[in-house]
Amino acid sequence: SAVISQKPSRDICQRGTSLTIQCQVDSQVTMMFWYRQQPGQSLTLIATANQGSEATYESGFVIDKFPISRPNLTFSTLTVSNLSPEDSSIYLCSVSNRGNEKLFFGSGTQLSVL
Amino acid sequence: GQNIDQPTEMTATEGAIVQINCTYQTSGFNGLFWYQQHAGEAPTFLSYNVLDGLEEKGRFSSFLSRSKGYSYLLLKELQMKDSASYLCAVKSPGTYKYIFGTGTRLKVLA
Repeated sequence: SAVISQKPSRDICQRGTSLTIQCQVDSQVTMMFWYRQQPGQSLTLIATANQGSEATYESGFVIDKFPISRPNLTFSTLTVSNLSPEDSSIYLCSVSNRGNEKLFFGSGTQLSVL
Repeated sequence: GQNIDQPTEMTATEGAIVQINCTYQTSGFNGLFWYQQHAGEAPTFLSYNVLDGLEEKGRFSSFLSRSKGYSYLLLKELQMKDSASYLCAVKSPGTYKYIFGTGTRLKVLA
């Protein structure tokens, strides 16, 4: 199984600022995903982080608001830009490998926007 | 479109058996997964079905019927620590994306 280090674990940010979340995996993985989990709700896929190219975003999510980097097979960042209170949520990094069906999750980042 | 439905909440008694249902309508199917998520924690993998039938793993079993777009998670000999949310997820072929259902919050009472 993959060990995923996600940080920060939580942050409180001011409206209009940005927060960058880091996800580090202890081994090379094929797929990396970013999910959002709003209070009391299930997981919504934001995007698939692609190594060396632009991320693939889901409907309703755009690069300007959620820029993502993935410079190599073990690391990715998600930035949540121009924060508003509606962005208050848990953000989760997750990884999987082709041929291994399990999806592993980081511990999550609890973001509160004032 | 993608639609995965689960009951919002269920309550059961310690030692009992509970069945959590999941129905799905997705454009493509490459496996159905169940995850457990305790409050304030990340989801953890419970089970995976890609063929029809029952997969048993200790106290937990998961069933899949692809023709009906239906799965259930069966929890036996319930323990207080089983109080958690249970998430059903479908994996899309080709893209390797996992789409999650609404989640079922299970409360186990003494």
